[in-house]
Parts: sequence; C-alpha cells; structure tokens
Amino acid sequence: GENVEQHPSTLSVQEGDSAVIKCTYSDSASNYFPWYKQELGKRPQLIIDIRSNVGEKKDQRIAVTLNKTAKHFSLHITETQPEDSAVYFCAATSMNRDDKIIFGKGTRLHILP
Amino acid sequence: DTAVSQTPKYLVTQMGNDKSIKCEQNLGHDTMYWYKQDSKKFLKIMFSYNNKELIINETVPNRFSPKSPDKAHLNLHINSLELGDSAVYFCASSQTGPPMNTEAFFGQGTRLTVV
Repeated sequence: GENVEQHPSTLSVQEGDSAVIKCTYSDSASNYFPWYKQELGKRPQLIIDIRSNVGEKKDQRIAVTLNKTAKHFSLHITETQPEDSAVYFCAATSMNRDDKIIFGKGTRLHILP
Repeated sequence: DTAVSQTPKYLVTQMGNDKSIKCEQNLGHDTMYWYKQDSKKFLKIMFSYNNKELIINETVPNRFSPKSPDKAHLNLHINSLELGDSAVYFCASSQTGPPMNTEAFFGQGTRLTVV
C-alpha cells in the first residue's frame, strides 16, 4: 500500500521568509497529491493540490512541485505571515476504486515575529 | 450549508461504555472515511466506504465498526471503550475513481475522551 513520508516534523521560520515542506510517496500509481492545513482545534482544509500530469502549481504565496520520477512533492510558502502558523499535511492517492487518501505525519509550522 | 457534519463535537465517557459518532455529507460524494488523530496529530485512516461497501479496513480493533445506512452517512460505533481510544475522530468524504479524484472534505471532528 501507499506510504507517505513528510519532513520536517517541525519548522520555524522568520516572518517574511519562505518555508518548504517535503514529502515522498511509494506507490507509483498515485496521481493526486493534496496539501491540507490544520489550524489549532480546526479541521484539515485543502490549500492546494497537484495531479501527476503537472509538474508545478502556484496559488498566490503557495506553490507545489511534483517530481514523479523521484516520487517527491513539496510545498513552498513565500513571504510567510503569522496566520500561516499551523500543521500542514501532504497526502497521496490514486485512481483505484479501493484506494484511500494516505497522509504524511504532518509538519508543525511556526512563524516567528 | 455544511458539507460534512459530524456529531457530537465532544464526547466524554467512561471505560467500557459503547458510543457512536454520526457523520453526514451533502456533497454527493461516493466515498466516506473515518480518520483518527492522536495527540501527536497523526491522521491515521481507519475505514473507507465506497457506495455503502467497506473497501478497506485498516488494522483497527474490531471494537470499532462503521455503519453506512446510505451513501450520505457513515457512522462509527465503538464498543468497550478503552483509555487509548481517546483522540479526535474525523469523518471525511471525497469523489474517487476515474476520471479523477477530488479533495477530501472533513467534518469538524469529534474529540473523544475516555476516563
């Protein structure tokens, strides 16, 4: 089955700097890679996703890159702001009917003033 | 309109009791999930239902049983609750399979505390 590894588990960056979170996946059949943000006491919510036919996607300060050959994908947040402080999860899933969405173990991002 | 709703939000109960958590989605999705989030914030999948069929059953104790009366509902029953069951349980739904998967929408979570 799919296995998703996520690093780092904790990340502290100065406000205004960039943050990068990296994930790897094991199942070459995976073709959909969402990223979720979970604020304290809240539910996980999608912030950006990428499909396997695309190498990069950007939405304002957030971008995601995918390297299918290496089975790596990364989240990039530029010009970080205090409200970016949260736990971020990467995930991977495939088109199989019996597939499931497998999450990485999360990265706790702290934005330092 | 709430897309995925689960009740209750908080549940405090004694060891050995049986409890249920309800989940409903109004998105027309074909797959619903239950995830357990422990104190370390790991999101671990417990069950997945596709069109009322259990398609995966991770290695969770058989004290946990999902029940889906229809495509829009997936309830979680827990028998003989143990201290280690304390966690936040999230229900989620998504549209799976070809032509493409879509994002999972999560309920607000149920914080279960077993005392």
